[in-house]
Amino acid sequence: GENVEQHPSTLSVQEGDSAVIKCTYSDSASNYFPWYKQELGKGPQLIIDIRSNVGEKKDQRIAVTLNKTAKHFSLHITETQPEDSAVYFCAASSGWNYGGATNKLIFGTGTLLAVQP
Amino acid sequence: DAGITQSPRHKVTETGTPVTLRCHQTENHRYMYWYRQDPGHGLRLIHYSYGVKDTDKGEVSDGYSVSRSKTEDFLLTLESATSSQTSVYFCAISSGGGGYTFGSGTRLTVV
Repeated sequence: GENVEQHPSTLSVQEGDSAVIKCTYSDSASNYFPWYKQELGKGPQLIIDIRSNVGEKKDQRIAVTLNKTAKHFSLHITETQPEDSAVYFCAASSGWNYGGATNKLIFGTGTLLAVQP
Repeated sequence: DAGITQSPRHKVTETGTPVTLRCHQTENHRYMYWYRQDPGHGLRLIHYSYGVKDTDKGEVSDGYSVSRSKTEDFLLTLESATSSQTSVYFCAISSGGGGYTFGSGTRLTVV
């Protein structure tokens, strides 16, 4: 089955700096890669996702890149702010397609991001 | 989170007792999932459902069962709770197009 590895497990940056979190996946059939942000005491929240037919996607200060050949994808946060402090999870799915496949997500182990003011 | 609620939010139970966690959605989504979250392991899939009375096992299903008799409710049962099942449990829903919406979680402690 799919296995997702995520690094680093903790990341501390100064406010205004960039943060990068990296994930690798094992199943070459995986075709959907979301990123979730989890604040303390809350459930994970989808912040950005990318599908295998796209190499990069941006949404304001966050971006995700995908390298299918190397089977890795990364989350980039620019101009970090204290409110970006949270746990971030990557995930991969090999079951996604339009029309309603089960889309089981396999998650990485998470990265605790601390943005120092 | 809007559209999905989990109950209870917190529960302490004794080893060997049965426990049922409830996930309720108002989004009419077809897919529902139960995950557990533990330090160092991230989120691991326990069971999922792709419709009423259609369920399947995830990667850590031993010791758990599920039922879905209505679109809006997905129940997770620990038949005989063990200390290794102390965890935070999250329910998630999906329309099948990609992203999940997670509930706020249930913190379960087995003593």
